Amino acid sequence: GIQVEQSPPDLILQEGANSTLRCNFSDSVNNLQWFHQNPWGQLINLFYIPSGTKQNGRLSATTVATERYSLLYISSSQTTDSGVYFCAVQPNAGGTSYGKLTFGQGTILTVHP
Amino acid sequence: DTAVSQTPKYLVTQMGNDKSIKCEQNLGHDTMYWYKQDSKKFLKIMFSYNNKELIINETVPNRFSPKSPDKAHLNLHINSLELGDSAVYFCASKKGRGTGELFFGEGSRLTVL
Repeated sequence: GIQVEQSPPDLILQEGANSTLRCNFSDSVNNLQWFHQNPWGQLINLFYIPSGTKQNGRLSATTVATERYSLLYISSSQTTDSGVYFCAVQPNAGGTSYGKLTFGQGTILTVHP
Repeated sequence: DTAVSQTPKYLVTQMGNDKSIKCEQNLGHDTMYWYKQDSKKFLKIMFSYNNKELIINETVPNRFSPKSPDKAHLNLHINSLELGDSAVYFCASKKGRGTGELFFGEGSRLTVL
């Protein structure tokens, strides 16, 4: 099956710093999502981005599908950004994957005040 | 208005018991999923239903049985609970059968003693 690798596994920042999280995947995809799992365990949708670039406030994401990677940018980080960031992909399997997402192992982000 | 809601949110039970987790979505989606998040935060798909039809059935012990009475509901019943079943179980839904954005519920934390 498709492999999803996220880096770095852990990241510690001071409030106000910028960061880039990376997601590499081993096969072509027709869906890629970024999620934030907050300290209460909720999975928050950040971006649905199978290709291209999107921005939402201090967060932006870029997926280069032909090179099989996606980047999540966090600018001016805040303590509320702490948590685990997951990348999840659906392989381009000709309609038989039924929306099944394969998750990376996550990046644990800690933002200190 | 919670889009994907799960009950109960917390469940503590003894080994050998049978328990159920319920999920309901009010997004008008056609496809629903169960994912399991283990103690290392790894998320893995278990099952998926599309309009009451089982379309994804990963390698899961047959003590786990999903049931979808209609396209807005997906329940998970677990028989003869074991210690290793302790995890957070997430329900998710999406529109259509193929690609598209998944939305997750808040999770149900199951602890087996």
